[in-house]
Amino acid sequence: AQKVTQAQTEISVVEKEDVTLDCVYETRDTTYYLFWYKQPPSGELVFLIRRNSFDEQNEISGRYSWNFQKSTSSFNFTITASQVVDSAVYFCALSEAVHYGGSQGNLIFGKGTKLSVKP
Amino acid sequence: EPEVTQTPSHQVTQMGQEVILRCVPISNHLYFYWYRQILGQKVEFLVSFYNNEISEKSEIFDDQFSVERPDGSNFTLKIRSTKLEDSAMYFCASGGSLLETQYFGPGTRLLVL
Repeated sequence: AQKVTQAQTEISVVEKEDVTLDCVYETRDTTYYLFWYKQPPSGELVFLIRRNSFDEQNEISGRYSWNFQKSTSSFNFTITASQVVDSAVYFCALSEAVHYGGSQGNLIFGKGTKLSVKP
Repeated sequence: EPEVTQTPSHQVTQMGQEVILRCVPISNHLYFYWYRQILGQKVEFLVSFYNNEISEKSEIFDDQFSVERPDGSNFTLKIRSTKLEDSAMYFCASGGSLLETQYFGPGTRLLVL
């Protein structure tokens, strides 16, 4: 069965600190997609990144970076030099490959990690 | 930049009443989804819709729920007889294909009294 675990419920850091949000997933599929979404206090879900299971290259986008390791089924997210505007709940999500009569691409979310960045 | 829109942003209703939540997906997208998020909890999949029919639904999506694409632009979620536990944020999402990223609307916050 598919599952996403975000063990950190809440993290609090001071501005300019680096912070890593953990995500561990379970799936029996060899083809799958991993995502991170940000949910600021206003409530919307903002797409951050999508990774497919065949691409283990780490990715960097500005202050954000992602570390995908299939060997440990993890897809961790690091914010460098955090800012107050980074305060939000961050969700990791999994989407399995499309199967006839089965998964049709729906997202399975973790419980989220609430990040508070204090000035 | 195209975006998914949802109306209303907030809705308050009495238990037992019917509600219809509306979504306008991104115009060239073909796959549509509804998710819900009970306050403080994770986002949960409800249903996916393609080619004018449900392609997958979760256990949450029982007979009280229905979805429809009444015209070329809107995608609706109807809850026939609301219960207190239906209070949640409901998100619509759309994707260009099953392999593409789903983009979410801003959500409708439903409160059932």
